[in-house]
Amino acid sequence: RKEVEQDPGPFNVPEGATVAFNCTYSNSASQSFFWYRQDCRKEPKLLMSVYSSGNEDGRFTAQLNRASQYISLLIRDSKLSDSATYLCVAPDGAGSYQLTFGKGTKLSVIP
Amino acid sequence: NAGVMQNPRHLVRRRGQEARLRCSPMKGHSHVYWYRQLPEEGLKFMVYLQKENIIDESGMPKERFSAEFPKEGPSILRIQQVVRGDSAAYFCASSPGGKKLFFGSGTQLSVL
Repeated sequence: RKEVEQDPGPFNVPEGATVAFNCTYSNSASQSFFWYRQDCRKEPKLLMSVYSSGNEDGRFTAQLNRASQYISLLIRDSKLSDSATYLCVAPDGAGSYQLTFGKGTKLSVIP
Repeated sequence: NAGVMQNPRHLVRRRGQEARLRCSPMKGHSHVYWYRQLPEEGLKFMVYLQKENIIDESGMPKERFSAEFPKEGPSILRIQQVVRGDSAAYFCASSPGGKKLFFGSGTQLSVL
């Protein structure tokens, strides 16, 4: 199976800080990517899709670098409620329905 | 519109018993996926089903594990003769097609 690698963290940041996570993927044929958020012992929830060079949604920005095969997630003005594990997800191929999940990066936002 | 429904939320079994995990996809979704998550690990793909068909079960252990998605009713993940190593969170996800998955709350299986 294809690999998706993430820094496990934890990232401990103060409220209001900007934090960025990177994720590398091995399958150069992958076209679209996702960031999911998972709170402790709960189900993953879709945060953002990344289809081309990048995507922005409020305080969250996802970027894709195809040449280097990595995806990043930037969180601006961190809130306490952003504390969670962030999962990077890549399909196994251009037309593949199979998704490979990274092990996640843990973020703790501290008051 | 109810989300993906999984039950039970928690399931305790003794070694050698059978575990049945149920998943009802979101309304209008005909694609169901099962994932397993061990503590401190990522989600691992197990099986992908559409109504009455297993499309890909490459992530399922060859023995003791089976899955179905009948024409009527929920998808079932069945684990026979459970062992301690089967203890994990099992998540079901559904999709209308495409790669966006919507997850259920999961079933935490504990094998004593």
